[in-house]
Amino acid sequence: EAGVTQFPSHSVIEKGQTVTLRCDPISGHDNLYWYRRVMGKEIKFLLHFVKESKQDESGMPNNRFLAERTGGTYSTLKVQPAELEDSGVYFCASSRGQGLAYEQYFGPGTRLTVT
Amino acid sequence: RKEVEQDPGPFNVPEGATVAFNCTYSNSASQSFFWYRQDCRKEPKLLMSVYSSGNEDGRFTAQLNRASQYISLLIRDSKLSDSATYLCVVRGSSNTGKLIFGQGTTLQVKP
Repeated sequence: EAGVTQFPSHSVIEKGQTVTLRCDPISGHDNLYWYRRVMGKEIKFLLHFVKESKQDESGMPNNRFLAERTGGTYSTLKVQPAELEDSGVYFCASSRGQGLAYEQYFGPGTRLTVT
Repeated sequence: RKEVEQDPGPFNVPEGATVAFNCTYSNSASQSFFWYRQDCRKEPKLLMSVYSSGNEDGRFTAQLNRASQYISLLIRDSKLSDSATYLCVVRGSSNTGKLIFGQGTTLQVKP
């Protein structure tokens, strides 16, 4: 079974530009999560999709971030316009269910550098 | 105050040593608890869940003390391959899949 995949693996953009990150969850996983780790800090939750619906977006930092999951399959996270403090590693995770018994499987992350 | 606190280390130990990591969490309503392992520049991977009764998986033992809001991980007979960052992770409730991470504790096992 293929794992969670993310694209691109690295992205370097200038402040003010737009970047779109993509996540493909494990097939059959209705739950998709975005997390990020900024330098020197812990991994922090951004949001949670159940199929195409946003279940919890309490971790989204501001309206420069837009996440979508049209069709309930892959998801995109767009940052527009990017700021220096957006640099970090963006992880996507998926799980079959959201009950306590369901493990979240993480993708390899996208390393974003805003210069 | 952070929701999940860990000593970042690093912990430098020789092969064969026993090492223990601790973690505290602030939300007494937290429902489930985990230790994840993260290798350098890789994704976090679930190491083990943590139960109130304590649980063991080979050389790894995890303990939870709900009264003190404290979680521990014990690694016996350390191997070079145990070198990694160990993340203490808490989940709020069954209504949310949100995981709350500690900053991680770095372990370096030396020959």
